[in-house]
Amino acid sequence: AQRVTQPEKLLSVFKGAPVELKCNYSYSGSPELFWYVQYSRQRLQLLLRHISRESIKGFTADLNKGETSFHLKKPFAQEEDSAMYYCALKTPPFNSGAGSYQLTFGKGTKLSVIP
Amino acid sequence: KAGVTQTPRYLIKTRGQQVTLSCSPISGHRSVSWYQQTPGQGLQFLFEYFSETQRNKGNFPGRFSGRQFSNSRSEMNVSTLELGDSALYLCASSLTGTVNTEAFFGQGTRLTVV
Repeated sequence: AQRVTQPEKLLSVFKGAPVELKCNYSYSGSPELFWYVQYSRQRLQLLLRHISRESIKGFTADLNKGETSFHLKKPFAQEEDSAMYYCALKTPPFNSGAGSYQLTFGKGTKLSVIP
Repeated sequence: KAGVTQTPRYLIKTRGQQVTLSCSPISGHRSVSWYQQTPGQGLQFLFEYFSETQRNKGNFPGRFSGRQFSNSRSEMNVSTLELGDSALYLCASSLTGTVNTEAFFGQGTRLTVV
């Protein structure tokens, strides 16, 4: 079965310091990975996806199939980056032909940027 | 355009009761998924509906059920509530629910079972 692991529940960094949020996955198929973010009192929203290979709000994430990782990085943390971050793996259902996908989430990492 | 809307935002029920939660997807979105979020288990997939059909189901007991209407609005029902059902229930909508389509989440319904 698929699994997503975020080893850190809480990560505290100083403003301006680099930040790396770790995510490892377990999946036998071809993975499609995402990072979602939830700011205080706001809804869960997509931050970035590995397919796009984009940088959003200064964050990047590279899929490393050899290490089965999808770590989220930012060179200089800002106070407004403080939030809950969830790594998610999109997979098809076990029954074939259903046509839909589901998201398997890690338990999340709370990033706290200290001014 | 309006985002995903979930009602009610908060709900308190007693054990043994049943509850119905509602989700209105973004206009034009035909796929609606439901997730349960708890401090211990995190976000867990419940089920997904597309064009009024359940296409995918997570590992939850039969007390959890749902449906989708022709306008893509979805409801989730939990019968015979247990204390452990206390959670934030999130709904997500997407155009088709397939690869490369982004899921947009609602604010959630906070269910407390006493």
